[in-house]
Amino acid sequence: KAGVTQTPRYLIKTRGQQVTLSCSPISGHRSVSWYQQTPGQGLQFLFEYFSETQRNKGNFPGRFSGRQFSNSRSEMNVSTLELGDSALYLCASSPGTATDTQYFGPGTRLTVL
Amino acid sequence: AQSVTQLDSHVSVSEGTPVLLRCNYSSSYSPSLFWYVQHPNKGLQLLLKYTSAATLVKGINGFEAEFKKSETSFHLTKPSAHMSDAAEYFCVVSDRGNKLVFGAGTILRVKS
Repeated sequence: KAGVTQTPRYLIKTRGQQVTLSCSPISGHRSVSWYQQTPGQGLQFLFEYFSETQRNKGNFPGRFSGRQFSNSRSEMNVSTLELGDSALYLCASSPGTATDTQYFGPGTRLTVL
Repeated sequence: AQSVTQLDSHVSVSEGTPVLLRCNYSSSYSPSLFWYVQHPNKGLQLLLKYTSAATLVKGINGFEAEFKKSETSFHLTKPSAHMSDAAEYFCVVSDRGNKLVFGAGTILRVKS
């Protein structure tokens, strides 16, 4: 099976802009989760989507949003970018039950100037 | 809420010697615990997973971890380090379904 894919791999934006990141899960997986990785805060959970519904949410401001499509592909949007949003954004997919393993994509490196 | 504490931010070993990466967890119920590895500029790869089936869990590349409830620990070990093991390792606990809570990470350096 093909792994989790994320596009684009690298992105440079300026403050105030918005950005959309995309994640394609492993075929058959219905859950997609997003994580932010920064040197200062480490890996933090953003949100999880399952069958097109947000099932779980981390402690991030409303500028961070997401959605999931009927084919389980997911997008994450960040509006009004701030310098502190510079990070590696990782997406993970799983079949969807609590004990399932999450498989991670390579990430999108976002730089905000 | 669930949490994990990785006791060492950096560990340095010589090639061919044992590896020990320490992790303590906090959980109000029987947790699912994981170790993931991240090589530079790469995504996260699952090393092993504990879900209460057996306390000693064997993973890929010769790694294993032992779940000790009395000590709330889930330390990662490998008998003999290889240069390719140099990476950052994360101890992870599952919280409220599919939300993963990550430790701060341990950077493993392997000296030749």
